[in-house]
Amino acid sequence: DQQVKQNSPSLSVQEGRISILNCDYTNSMFDYFLWYKKYPAEGPTFLISISSIKDKNEDGRFTVFLNKSAKHLSLHIVPSQPGDSAVYFCAASSQTGANNLFFGTGTRLTVIP
Amino acid sequence: DADVTQTPRNRITKTGKRIMLECSQTKGHDRMYWYRQDPGLGLRLIYYSFDVKDINKGEISDGYSVSRQAQAKFSLSLESAIPNQTALYFCATSDSGGLKTQYFGPGTRLLVL
Repeated sequence: DQQVKQNSPSLSVQEGRISILNCDYTNSMFDYFLWYKKYPAEGPTFLISISSIKDKNEDGRFTVFLNKSAKHLSLHIVPSQPGDSAVYFCAASSQTGANNLFFGTGTRLTVIP
Repeated sequence: DADVTQTPRNRITKTGKRIMLECSQTKGHDRMYWYRQDPGLGLRLIYYSFDVKDINKGEISDGYSVSRQAQAKFSLSLESAIPNQTALYFCATSDSGGLKTQYFGPGTRLLVL
């Protein structure tokens, strides 16, 4: 049973425009959410995270929004750049207990120059 | 130098063979994890260790074993490899305090014939 879902396998965006990647979760015990970026032949690279006590976290061009009532988070990239082309994974964990990460299936972002 | 390293990066083996994948980290983290990635399924947790004397099964531990030889080293073994263990394998580490963000190694691509 997939506890973290990314329903869009792929997304194409023009350079300079906004990229919005979405993620839904089912487990209400999750209280920490992360986005990872993955290039081919490399491991996932931590990008940005958000704790459930917040609804927004911003780091440069990257902003993550959390809607706890809808169990939904999104990653906004503005402006999108060709180097942002990668697979983006959403992940969630509970900070208590085992702290295991549960991953979504990933969204492949292509930024078109 | 990379904080989390994995060896080998690529491995081809035959059904029934025993193989070991190794992970080392220089981040000084207490916690270490092994994940596998299959196409379309995201990353799934195999085993995790919170310190040298603590080993725990993850979501998909059957057919695998692990050894935490030191705080910095965590190895994954396939006792008798089978073709459906063909996958990308990632090691990750996290601190035991704070938000426990996990940081990943570059991965090992394993093919079982």
